[in-house]
Amino acid sequence: EAQVTQNPRYLITVTGKKLTVTCSQNMNHEYMSWYRQDPGLGLRQIYYSMNVEVTDKGDVPEGYKVSRKEKRNFPLILESPSPNQTSLYFCASSSSGTGSTEAFFGQGTRLTVV
Amino acid sequence: SQQGEEDPQALSIQEGENATMNCSYKTSINNLQWYRQNSGRGLVHLILIRSNEREKHSGRLRVTLDTSKKSSSLLITASRAADTASYFCATLNYGQNFVFGPGTRLSVLP
Repeated sequence: EAQVTQNPRYLITVTGKKLTVTCSQNMNHEYMSWYRQDPGLGLRQIYYSMNVEVTDKGDVPEGYKVSRKEKRNFPLILESPSPNQTSLYFCASSSSGTGSTEAFFGQGTRLTVV
Repeated sequence: SQQGEEDPQALSIQEGENATMNCSYKTSINNLQWYRQNSGRGLVHLILIRSNEREKHSGRLRVTLDTSKKSSSLLITASRAADTASYFCATLNYGQNFVFGPGTRLSVLP
């Protein structure tokens, strides 16, 4: 079954404690991206990757890091989380970064930073 | 920067009625997509319309695109309670990031 898997689904952490949210897709997609969703703001892109070892900033990259060492995985790293990073996070993948194909989304990770 | 803006922000209708949501965007696009999200879950792709298309159908969904007005609409006909969700348009330019609007929350009352 084609899917994008994020882990964990829920996470409560303290300010400053480094964390990683994993994302894996099984569709051999080249394009992967991370979004955060906040009430009234819709989805805002954090980082995206056009292929292995190719990453670029989205609209709200501050406080986040990503890596793309393998095609299937695209982890999101928060080196020093802060309360304003409390949000619902989504990973997505698509076969193309040109917008000509649909994006597949993971089920989301609800992060709370206290 | 937020490209797509859906209108209305919230919509409440009775089962069987039609629901229309609108999306406006700011820059030139190659494609526009519509997604649905059920209550905090992942988004699900509904339909893609290319910039050289004016209308597209998929089941009970009808999407229009007016590139001169930089706007798109999503029509759901004969709505069902299961259509209750948030709907987002996404504009996708080659070489740029995917951009979603804030969404329309649709409630279909039985």
